[in-house]
Amino acid sequence: DTAVSQTPKYLVTQMGNDKSIKCEQNLGHDTMYWYKQDSKKFLKIMFSYNNKELIINETVPNRFSPKSPDKAHLNLHINSLELGDSAVYFCASSIRLAGGSTDTQYFGPGTRLTVL
Amino acid sequence: KNQVEQSPQSLIILEGKNCTLQCNYTVSPFSNLRWYKQDTGRGPVSLTIMTFSENTKSNGRYTATLDADTKQSSLHITASQLSDSASYICVVSAGSSASKIIFGSGTRLSIRP
Repeated sequence: DTAVSQTPKYLVTQMGNDKSIKCEQNLGHDTMYWYKQDSKKFLKIMFSYNNKELIINETVPNRFSPKSPDKAHLNLHINSLELGDSAVYFCASSIRLAGGSTDTQYFGPGTRLTVL
Repeated sequence: KNQVEQSPQSLIILEGKNCTLQCNYTVSPFSNLRWYKQDTGRGPVSLTIMTFSENTKSNGRYTATLDADTKQSSLHITASQLSDSASYICVVSAGSSASKIIFGSGTRLSIRP
């Protein structure tokens, strides 16, 4: 049973397109996250949702819009894709916000986005 | 500026040997520190989580230490196995609401037979 799943695993698209990445967790967690891992392997938090409400919104272009239809899902929509958006995007979840608690974060397998 | 720095950047050791990875941080106020293991092509997996009052925490062959005074942490791996080959990432959480989660760039560990 996959705890945190993401689709698609690979996404190759042209500049200017709009794309979405989906994330689902079956752990019953309240908090979900989106991270971006660049070519230098730095992971940076982008968004965090708790019970479908936005908690963390780091300095991310407004071309990126997260959507949480329910506690188990947090999707990421990206408009007008740019070359610099190429990266691996990870979804994660935890019982409560990981920064303020010692709850374990569970990461998905990642989505490798390549913008041509 | 809140930062997390890890060393070495990469490390190669022989199977069966021990090794220690370092993490220095300038994050304030400190909330907790985590070590993750990330295999190639996969998401990070949590190894240990430590709060301000904890000096050491073990998870099997992995032992993490924390010195909150010097703002340093280490991850010690005992009797390394080929499956330990991965990136090891130090993550520090900060802020009054602890909403800042700052990742180090990781140490790439390779275990050779």
